[in-house]
Amino acid sequence: GAGVSQSPSNKVTEKGKDVELRCDPISGHTALYWYRQSLGQGLEFLIYFQGNSAPDKSGLPSDRFSAERTGGSVSTLTIQRTQQEDSAVYLCASSPISSTDTQYFGPGTRLTVL
Amino acid sequence: EDQVTQSPEALRLQEGESSSLNCSYTVSGLRGLFWYRQDPGKGPEFLFTLYSAGEEKEKERLKATLTKKESFLHITAPKPEDSATYLCAVGGLTGGGNKLTFGTGTQLKVEL
Repeated sequence: GAGVSQSPSNKVTEKGKDVELRCDPISGHTALYWYRQSLGQGLEFLIYFQGNSAPDKSGLPSDRFSAERTGGSVSTLTIQRTQQEDSAVYLCASSPISSTDTQYFGPGTRLTVL
Repeated sequence: EDQVTQSPEALRLQEGESSSLNCSYTVSGLRGLFWYRQDPGKGPEFLFTLYSAGEEKEKERLKATLTKKESFLHITAPKPEDSATYLCAVGGLTGGGNKLTFGTGTQLKVEL
């Protein structure tokens, strides 16, 4: 079946602009996660959605970052007033209710802020 | 705060030369320890979950083991297609949700 998809695959933006990154999880997966992977750093947790529960936003680095999940499926990560330090690969993962420990990752969106 | 340290950072092996990758962790109550493989330009691919000390799991040439402080990923008779970055992550019982804390990975290159 189809895996997690993310778009765009690459995004180049200018400092100060807003960007939106999209994640389509595997159909039927109730949990959705966003991570950030910077060069030489481990994956950094950003936010977690589980069903209709309030999201766990504890990993968001600043109030410029926000995310929403519509209809329990597609998610959008928004970064406002982008900074150069926001440059990274943003990864989305999803997991089924039957195996919440197993996270399936998408290919990521490489964000470059000039 | 959960922490994961992986070593070595990079490893170069000849085809058929077995070795082990290390993942040391500290966590306030282990929910699970996870191994992923990541190829360049791709997202991590799930390999194993280990839940308790003494547990072992195998898949083809890979075998993961777990103690109370570390996990090893043993690679037996590796092939060039095993070249990738191997990531270790832990999920803790505190902090809520199923978020994982990742190490920075071991970059493995297997040469002919």
